[in-house]
This record gives sequence, C-alpha cells and structure tokens, in this order.
Amino acid sequence: AQSVTQPDIHITVSEGASLELRCNYSYGATPYLFWYVQSPGQGLQLLLKYFSGDTLVQGIKGFEAEFKRSQSSFNLRKPSVHWSDAAEYFCAVGPTGGGNKLTFGTGTQLKVEL
Amino acid sequence: GAVVSQHPSWVICKSGTSVKIECRSLDFQATTMFWYRQFPKQSLMLMATSNEGSKATYEQGVEKDKFLINHASLTLSTLTVTSAHPEDSSFYICSAGTGDNSNQPQHFGDGTRLSIL
Repeated sequence: AQSVTQPDIHITVSEGASLELRCNYSYGATPYLFWYVQSPGQGLQLLLKYFSGDTLVQGIKGFEAEFKRSQSSFNLRKPSVHWSDAAEYFCAVGPTGGGNKLTFGTGTQLKVEL
Repeated sequence: GAVVSQHPSWVICKSGTSVKIECRSLDFQATTMFWYRQFPKQSLMLMATSNEGSKATYEQGVEKDKFLINHASLTLSTLTVTSAHPEDSSFYICSAGTGDNSNQPQHFGDGTRLSIL
C-alpha cells in the first residue's frame, strides 16, 4: 500500500530564510507526487507536481521540489520564505492520472517569524 | 486553471438536520470527484470516490447511509450528511479529477465547515 510520511509536524523559520519540508513516500511503482498548501479554513492549492522527466520540479510561489528515487523522497524547498507562506503543507502520492485517489501525508505546519 | 467551487463554505445547524454540500467543477468535466473529511490540525481522510453516473465507492469505516453522495453530472457532485449529529462536525473538502490517465492533478474546493449544535 502506498504511504506518505512528513516527519516534521511543525517548522518555524525566519522571513527571508530558506526552507525545506521533507516528504518520504512508499509506493510500488513510479509515483506521481504532489505538494499542496492549505491556508486556515481553506481548501488545498496545488504547488507543484512530479509525473516524470526532470527530477527538479518548479512550482508556483517560488517553490521547487526534487524527486529522489534512491531516497524515496520528494522534499519541498524555497530559497527565501515570505510571511505569507505560513500555512499547512501536504505531500501526496498517487497513481497516474487525476482520476485516482491520493494518499496524503499528515502535513507540516509552517510558521514564519518576522 | 481548473476551478472547483464548493458550497456552502460554512454551515451551522441543529442536531438531526440533513445538510447538503455541493461540489462543482466550473471549467472542466470532472468524471471523478473525491470527498474528504479533515479534523482540526490533521490530514485529509478520504471518505469516498464518486464517479459520474455510478454509485460512489466508500472507504472502509465510512457509513454510506450517513454520507450520501450523488454525482449526477460531469460538473456536480453532492454530499449529504443525513441526520447530522455533533460528532459529524468537521471540515469537508471535495476534489475533482478528469478520471483518465492524463497528467492532470486533482483540483480542490475551498471546503465546507460544518458545525452541528
């Protein structure tokens, strides 16, 4: 069965500092990987996705993620965090296609200190 | 980009009431829609998968008679919480996908905060 682990429940960074959110997955085949962001009381917004090809994926809002098959990881990064990035971040894995259900990690709550 | 509209965004009602939540794909046809439940400070728990024109597939432990799902068209799915009780209070989120093997991710609604008094 597929699973996703986000080891960090909470992370606090200073504004302007770099950020890395960890995500490890377990999946029997080549996974489709996603990062979503959720602001309080809101739904999920897709930051980026990996399907195939270049293992470094660029997303919206200056985020990027790198797929490392050998480590079963898909960590999210941002070189300089803005206060507006404070939110909950979810990593998800799924089979091919948007018509298939996703498995989500437990989320990482990001706090940004001014 | 693909937009999913969820309505209402917030509802408060008395115990025993049935509540309907709508999920619409505004600019694409959603063959498949998913309904999630999210408890405070927790991840999303998939409740059911809804395919247009067929019965929904419920995840283990989800009462299908309690949470009625209808996906009558390619742009609309509804979740009805029947005879709601305080323990049904939660944040419900829908997502929509094209149902094929294209490289298109699911798109999420903004969620519905349900509070049962």
